[in-house]
Amino acid sequence: EAGVVQSPRYKIIEKKQPVAFWCNPISGHNTLYWYLQNLGQGPELLIRYENEEAVDDSQLPKDRFSAERLKGVDSTLKIQPAELGDSAVYLCASSLGDTNNEQFFGPGTRLTVL
Amino acid sequence: AQKVTQAQTEISVVEKEDVTLDCVYETRDTTYYLFWYKQPPSGELVFLIRRNSFDEQNEISGRYSWNFQKSTSSFNFTITASQVVDSAVYFCAPQRAGSYQLTFGKGTKLSVIP
Repeated sequence: EAGVVQSPRYKIIEKKQPVAFWCNPISGHNTLYWYLQNLGQGPELLIRYENEEAVDDSQLPKDRFSAERLKGVDSTLKIQPAELGDSAVYLCASSLGDTNNEQFFGPGTRLTVL
Repeated sequence: AQKVTQAQTEISVVEKEDVTLDCVYETRDTTYYLFWYKQPPSGELVFLIRRNSFDEQNEISGRYSWNFQKSTSSFNFTITASQVVDSAVYFCAPQRAGSYQLTFGKGTKLSVIP
């Protein structure tokens, strides 16, 4: 069974540029998460989807971050414009729909903003 | 709100030594879950164990064992006969029952030296 797929693995951009990250969850997982992980810290939830609906986006900085999961499978997280402080690893995870299930993580996208 | 403390920032052991990673959590919930994840250098978080607050039995899985002490709010993780492949950052994360939100600490970086 394929795991969570993310691309790109690495991205280097200049500040004020836009950037997008893509995630393909495990087949059959209707819950999808985007996390932000700063260096030396644990992951912090940005947004959670149930199928195509964003059910928890309370921690997403909506002035510059946006996300979509149009068909309830793949998801895209966008930053526009990027700032120096956005340099971090962006992790995608998926799980089955019930609460308290284990979440399966992708390898992440390491973003560097210059 | 939940909180987790992993007091050991970094640990180094020589291969074949046993090592215990500490996890102390805070929660006002009577029912909750506790997770351990491993993050190797490749980046993806790997699920290790989920334990609910009603089950205080210790668990052993191969070289891994977990000691859940509800009275001291601790959920410690021991690796027996450590191997180089165990080198990773380990995260403990509490989760309220009926929730999707994991609360990650800063993790403990384990280095196993050959």
